[in-house]
Amino acid sequence: DGGITQSPKYLFRKEGQNVTLSCEQNLNHDAMYWYRQDPGQGLRLIYYSQIVNDFQKGDIAEGYSVSREKKESFPLTVTSAQKNPTAFYLCASSISLWEKLFFGSGTQLSVL
Amino acid sequence: QKEVEQDPGPLSVPEGAIVSLNCTYSNSAFQYFMWYRQYSRKGPELLMYTYSSGNKEDGRFTAQVDKSSKYISLFIRDSQPSDSATYLCAMSVNSGYALNFGKGTSLLVTP
Repeated sequence: DGGITQSPKYLFRKEGQNVTLSCEQNLNHDAMYWYRQDPGQGLRLIYYSQIVNDFQKGDIAEGYSVSREKKESFPLTVTSAQKNPTAFYLCASSISLWEKLFFGSGTQLSVL
Repeated sequence: QKEVEQDPGPLSVPEGAIVSLNCTYSNSAFQYFMWYRQYSRKGPELLMYTYSSGNKEDGRFTAQVDKSSKYISLFIRDSQPSDSATYLCAMSVNSGYALNFGKGTSLLVTP
């Protein structure tokens, strides 16, 4: 089955800790994205990548980092600099930049 | 003013009702319009994708775009409890431009 896999489904972060959220797709899509969803806030773009080894900051990139070493993978690291990391994180991909986005099932990150 | 406005609801309707979900926008350059359905704690799922004005129908769902009024709608006929979800609109200027999402409308269809 083709799709986007996010793991883990739930993640807990201790203060001062960096955590990494995984996103893998087998749709052969070139573009990948990370969004953050807070209640009442809608979707906010963190980072996006048009092709391998290239990525761009979105609207709320501070405190986050990404890499795109393989076409299939776009991991997101939430660093200790992100002071309010509790949110639902969504990864998405599309065949080309900003074409129809397909989303993963999300990761809920909470602070201990 | 936000570029895309969407009433958060919740909107509660009885099973079998016709549901109308709406978004307004301020950027007259938007040409691509999408509707996503998101179940609780799941990722959004693309329901409808339309270009420019007019209607598009897919089963019980109809997407309507009125560019003169900067207003888009999603109609759901014969609504079912399984339609209970949050519906997000999204739009962009061109296929290579960033998507602008509404905040979503929560829909509850009661048996």
